[in-house]
Amino acid sequence: DTEVTQTPKHLVMGMTNKKSLKCEQHMGHRAMYWYKQKAKKPPELMFVYSYEKLSINESVPSRFSPECPNSSLLNLHLHALQPEDSALYLCASSDGQGSQPQHFGDGTRLSIL
Amino acid sequence: GENVEQHPSTLSVQEGDSAVIKCTYSDSASNYFPWYKQELGKRPQLIIDIRSNVGEKKDQRIAVTLNKTAKHFSLHITETQPEDSAVYFCAASYDKIIFGKGTRLHILP
Repeated sequence: DTEVTQTPKHLVMGMTNKKSLKCEQHMGHRAMYWYKQKAKKPPELMFVYSYEKLSINESVPSRFSPECPNSSLLNLHLHALQPEDSALYLCASSDGQGSQPQHFGDGTRLSIL
Repeated sequence: GENVEQHPSTLSVQEGDSAVIKCTYSDSASNYFPWYKQELGKRPQLIIDIRSNVGEKKDQRIAVTLNKTAKHFSLHITETQPEDSAVYFCAASYDKIIFGKGTRLHILP
């Protein structure tokens, strides 16, 4: 069973669209993460939230906007994306930030037309 | 910042033989070293991890070793099975996880 749930599983959008990716965990974890993964590459960290506050932004373009409404939910708002943004977007959570096991969701496969 | 090097990029072993994947890291502050397995089209799954105060850890057919002085750590899989075929990522962490580039492991029948 996947303990981190991501929706939608697949998303196709145009470059002028606005959409959101959602992530939910019910393990009581206090740190949540967004990663981007291109084919045959490792996950690349985008954002880290710790205790619902943005802790790390890895110089991600402003067309990606994260939000953490509460300790169980993490959103990624998308606007004016580029074709190179097509990738698998993974959410993860851990008991604390840093040196803790991270549990990944199944990801959202995003295609930008 | 942290840099994690992983070798080899591809590894083919006969079913039943052992597989070894090696990683090095650069930041001596890193204190947590997880290994993830990712099957095609699926999420990365944590298979084993080790902390910097431990030199070796074993879980059934999987073992990890850590040499803090040399900044090396390795994954050992014994008695390999077809279901071990996947991409394996090593990682090093202090305040965030940095992944190696991955090793594609093929188990040959």
